[in-house]
Amino acid sequence: AQTVTQSQPEMSVQEAETVTLSCTYDTSESDYYLFWYKQPPSRQMILVIRQEAYKQQNATENRFSVNFQKAAKSFSLKISDSQLGDAAMYFCAYRSAEGAGNMLTFGGGTRLMVKP
Amino acid sequence: DSGVTQTPKHLITATGQRVTLRCSPRSGDLSVYWYQQSLDQGLQFLIQYYNGEERAKGNILERFSAQQFPDLHSELNLSSLELGDSALYFCASSVSPVNTGELFFGEGSRLTVL
Repeated sequence: AQTVTQSQPEMSVQEAETVTLSCTYDTSESDYYLFWYKQPPSRQMILVIRQEAYKQQNATENRFSVNFQKAAKSFSLKISDSQLGDAAMYFCAYRSAEGAGNMLTFGGGTRLMVKP
Repeated sequence: DSGVTQTPKHLITATGQRVTLRCSPRSGDLSVYWYQQSLDQGLQFLIQYYNGEERAKGNILERFSAQQFPDLHSELNLSSLELGDSALYFCASSVSPVNTGELFFGEGSRLTVL
């Protein structure tokens, strides 16, 4: 079974600064997808960014980018020019591209605080 | 708005009772997933349905059951409720069980068991 680990329960960043959230995963599969979801106080799950494992190029979405290291099974999220609205729980998630049961497996989450 | 609708948004009930949570997936999505999020915890996968058939099962208790109907909406039934069942229950949908897209989440149903 796949596991996803987020080793930072909490992170803090100054507004306008850059922060990196860490995520590692364990899998024996070669084809899969990785995601970062944001959960603000409203508790809605919002997709931030996705990465296909077969793509070597790191995904980027505006101020959000990832550092995907397939061999190291690492998938970190970098948030540039942090804004107050970025304060939330961030979940890293893994999804197999093989087999019939391709649910999302989530890490435990990182709570990001943004200081004004 | 993700297009996934969950009802009710909030539910308060007593131990030993039974409740039903309902989910309507996005238009066109055949796959429905249920997740449980306890206070300050991550999301635990419960069960997945695809076009009416159970496709995968996670850490779902025997007191819990689910089904997906011909119109593709899904219901999660929780019975003999315990205090520890208090949680946020999310439904998510996707087009097919194997695709490149993300899961689209509803706003969740917050269950409080007193």
